Amino acid sequence: DMKVTQMPRYLIKRMGENVLLECGQDMSHETMYWYRQDPGLGLQLIYISYDVDSNSEGDIPKGYRVSRKKREHFSLILDSAKTNQTSVYFCASSLRAGEVFFGKGTRLTVV
Amino acid sequence: TQTVSQSDAHVTVFEGDSVELRCNYSYGGSIYLSWYIQHHGHGLQFLLKYYSGNPVVQGVNGFEAEFSKSDSSFHLRKASVHWSDSAVYFCAVSSNNYAQGLTFGLGTRVSVFP
Repeated sequence: DMKVTQMPRYLIKRMGENVLLECGQDMSHETMYWYRQDPGLGLQLIYISYDVDSNSEGDIPKGYRVSRKKREHFSLILDSAKTNQTSVYFCASSLRAGEVFFGKGTRLTVV
Repeated sequence: TQTVSQSDAHVTVFEGDSVELRCNYSYGGSIYLSWYIQHHGHGLQFLLKYYSGNPVVQGVNGFEAEFSKSDSSFHLRKASVHWSDSAVYFCAVSSNNYAQGLTFGLGTRVSVFP
């Protein structure tokens, strides 16, 4: 069963706290992504990972960093979270162009 | 720069009706075009994609889409909708270097009434 799993599904953090969002996939896909989804803005690409320790900034990387130490896992880190980082975050993976598998998302609220 | 435009923010249809969701794009190279569906509270699920060949592509659950190079369009259609088709639909483009990620439109919300 092909799956992208995100943990946690819901998270509330105070401004200034560190945040770790975790993502796993069981398809051995080399390429993984982090997106955020906001009303009126759609989905925006934060980071791409091409494989272990091979990451690249997307369209909105400021305030985020990522870690990929195993092919199956891709983490998104917010150092000192800000209220404007309140959003729904989606992890995704891809084997073929144009076809991307998404997780169910993490709803992060920064208060 | 890739851009994707979905002209309708919200479409309302009755069960059994047909529906067409419009997508226009701009990009100056070879691209993949795809559609995704997002049910409330869930992630996006892949419906179908086009890269080359037959401009009409079939997807899951009776969806199809037609590519038009002259119109820079990739409209999604379904002949007879079901209540479970109520969701937000996203059109997306990506270069043939899929590692660059997808660029999404803002989505069209489809509400299907019985």
